[in-house]
Parts: sequence; C-alpha cells; structure tokens
Amino acid sequence: RKEVEQDPGPFNVPEGATVAFNCTYSNSASQSFFWYRQDCRKEPKLLMSVYSSGNEDGRFTAQLNRASQYISLLIRDSKLSDSATYLCVVNIGTASKLTFGTGTRLQVTL
Amino acid sequence: DVKVTQSSRYLVKRTGEKVFLECVQDMDHENMFWYRQDPGLGLRLIYFSYDVKMKEKGDIPEGYSVSREKKERFSLILESASTNQTSMYLCASSLWGVGYGYTFGSGTRLTVV
Repeated sequence: RKEVEQDPGPFNVPEGATVAFNCTYSNSASQSFFWYRQDCRKEPKLLMSVYSSGNEDGRFTAQLNRASQYISLLIRDSKLSDSATYLCVVNIGTASKLTFGTGTRLQVTL
Repeated sequence: DVKVTQSSRYLVKRTGEKVFLECVQDMDHENMFWYRQDPGLGLRLIYFSYDVKMKEKGDIPEGYSVSREKKERFSLILESASTNQTSMYLCASSLWGVGYGYTFGSGTRLTVV
C-alpha cells in the first residue's frame, strides 16, 4: 500500500463549480499535512497546511480526519487559473521528511 | 521569501558523462532535498541532508551522490549519466522539524542522450 494515495483524475469541472479531492495516508503516526499545487512543467508550491480543526484560505478549505486517515481539499467557485495538479503531502513521522502523493489533476473549463 | 535556486533550467548530457546539479538556498534552512519527478511516478526522493557534510539516502539513491560542503548549497552528482536518468530534478529546502513545508527550486530538466 502506498504511503499517500490520491485519485489521479483528471477532474474536469466547469468554471464556478465546487470540487473536492481526498487523499489517504497509511501511517497513523503522521504529524503534519499539506496541500501543494503544481502547474504544468513548474515546481510544486505550497498551497496550504492542513490543521486538525480544518482551515480555510479564501476559496480553499482543507480538512483532516485522523480517525479515517484522510485529508481533503475543497475548492469553491473554481477559476480557470485553478487548473493544476494538487499534491497531497504528509510528514510520516521522520522529522522534516515529507512524503508526496502522485497528485490529482484538475482541469477547469469555460 | 525563501529562494531556492537551481543552476540550470535545461541540461543535455551524453551517456557516461559526470553531471553536477547545483542548488542554493538563501534562508539558512537546515534541510535540503533532491527529488526527481517522472510522469506517473510522482516525486521520488534521491538524497537529503539535515546539516553540513551530512547526507542520507532517499528512496532511489542508486547512480547518484551528493555533496553539502556549505549550509546553503546542496549538489547532486550523477557519476556516469545514463538514459534512464533523463528526468526533472527538483531541489527543495526546509527548516528543521515537524510542521514545515518545503520550498522548491524551479527544477532542472535533464536529458541524457
């Protein structure tokens, strides 16, 4: 079983739609969680950290469910510019070392 | 903002050549990492370093070595480049400890012919 698993997609949604991605992780000792965004042929960039209580940043909401070992990312009012690959990232317990999922591709269309 | 700079954006090398990929960060981060990224395989960790002159193997270290002589610089070395090392190479840095994300460089697309 992979340490971090994501649905690769693609998720094709119209502009203005709400879309959600889930990600599961295998190690219950995982301590920190992130969502990264990666545009085509560019480097990954930190989108947001994910906190136990859930957190929001504008149109983006991240949730963590420790009991079921998954994190989610909700994007409201999708924009064309949201088209990218979204990487789920987990600290598996070894200090500082992060494990990346293979990403979920989002395509927002007119 | 933290800046992680990779020396080359695109590189073409011949099979058997020794290749050096350089990475420099300017925010005094303790940790530095080298990944490669291939379609369908995601990011795979090659080597990482928590301190000067310190290095640890990642998931796919074979065919690679690293050097960290100064805190801000982490070099990846392909001892004898092969075609299966054609890939996007990404350097990243972070602060020490749980809870810190990585900042990535813009990547080096290496083609070995």
